[in-house]
Amino acid sequence: AQTVTQSQPEMSVQEAETVTLSCTYDTSESNYYLFWYKQPPSRQMILVIRQEAYKQQNATENRFSVNFQKAAKSFSLKISDSQLGDTAMYFCAFMESSGDKLTFGTGTRLAVRP
Amino acid sequence: EPEVTQTPSHQVTQMGQEVILRCVPISNHLYFYWYRQILGQKVEFLVSFYNNEISEKSEIFDDQFSVERPDGSNFTLKIRSTKLEDSAMYFCASRQGMSGNTIYFGEGSWLTVV
Repeated sequence: AQTVTQSQPEMSVQEAETVTLSCTYDTSESNYYLFWYKQPPSRQMILVIRQEAYKQQNATENRFSVNFQKAAKSFSLKISDSQLGDTAMYFCAFMESSGDKLTFGTGTRLAVRP
Repeated sequence: EPEVTQTPSHQVTQMGQEVILRCVPISNHLYFYWYRQILGQKVEFLVSFYNNEISEKSEIFDDQFSVERPDGSNFTLKIRSTKLEDSAMYFCASRQGMSGNTIYFGEGSWLTVV
């Protein structure tokens, strides 16, 4: 079974600074998908970014980028120019390429300080 | 932008009562899901649904749970006899088709069993 580990329960960053959230996973699959979801206080789950394991290039979405290290099974999220609206719980998630469900990590609570 | 919609946003029910949570997935999506998040915990997969039948379910999804797509738009989760431990946020989600397509979540239905 796949597992997803987020070792940072809480993080804090100053507005306009950069922060990196860590995620590691365990799988025997060679092809899969990785996601970061954001859950603000409203509790909605919002997709931030997605990475396909067969692509070597790291995904980027505006201020959000990932550092995908397949050999190390690491998938960290970098948030540049942090904004107050980035304050949320961030979940890393894994899905097999042939699978049909997401496996989530325990989340990292990010606070952006003004 | 198309979105997954859920009703009700919050429901309080007596232990032992039946509850139906409703969802309208994104219109051209073919795969539907229910996930659960107990307060302070990670998001857990409950069930996936495709072509009018359950494709996968977790250990949590026991005989007290059922899903249905009664018409072309709604997707429901029924809990027959609620227990205190069923108190959680229930997320409906959908994806378009091919494996790896992004799963989009609704805003959640917060169920409180008293």
